[in-house]
Amino acid sequence: DADVTQTPRNRITKTGKRIMLECSQTKGHDRMYWYRQDPGLGLQLIYYSFDVKDINKGEISDGYSVSRQAQAKFSLSLESAIPNQTALYFCATKPGTNNHYEQYFGPGTRLTVT
Amino acid sequence: AQSVTQPDIHITVSEGASLELRCNYSYGATPYLFWYVQSPGQGLQLLLKYFSGDTLVQGIKGFEAEFKRSQSSFNLRKPSVHWSDAAEYFCAVESDPGGSYIPTFGRGTSLIVHP
Repeated sequence: DADVTQTPRNRITKTGKRIMLECSQTKGHDRMYWYRQDPGLGLQLIYYSFDVKDINKGEISDGYSVSRQAQAKFSLSLESAIPNQTALYFCATKPGTNNHYEQYFGPGTRLTVT
Repeated sequence: AQSVTQPDIHITVSEGASLELRCNYSYGATPYLFWYVQSPGQGLQLLLKYFSGDTLVQGIKGFEAEFKRSQSSFNLRKPSVHWSDAAEYFCAVESDPGGSYIPTFGRGTSLIVHP
């Protein structure tokens, strides 16, 4: 089984709808991240969490919210989806013990807002 | 604020040719440096990383990268490219503005491999 899973893998929704993307991990990592990827723009950080009670905004948090339900679960919500939120969304994890580690990525969720 | 520049959006090479992907960063001290690869339809996978010590680091799949402090660069190289190396490559930097390491990614370089 994959260490970092994301559901759904693909989603098409309409403008104005609320949608939640979920991320689960079995790696026991404290740190979790949400990114969006747009062609030619690389990965942009939306939110990050260093533990269940520590949640922080990234560079593009407007229009998004998150919930860290447990160490293993980190959800991203779009309260009222708009077409320019169409993108590929990635969840990532990282150990919190020190910074000499890389991030581990989920397979991504492709979201289309019509 | 830290930033990462990957100046090449696309690179095309022939199978068997050598490869160099460029990465430059802006940050005063030595940051933590990473190269990730993203195959079509998949998430990112670590190729290699640099924290300190020997400035030439070896990674998976025959890749290596060299940290050059004077040039603020961390270029990725491979002596002989295989068709399966066709993918998107991302350079990433983590540094410590205020006590926490937050990753910043470059925009990526798309590698096309001709047979």
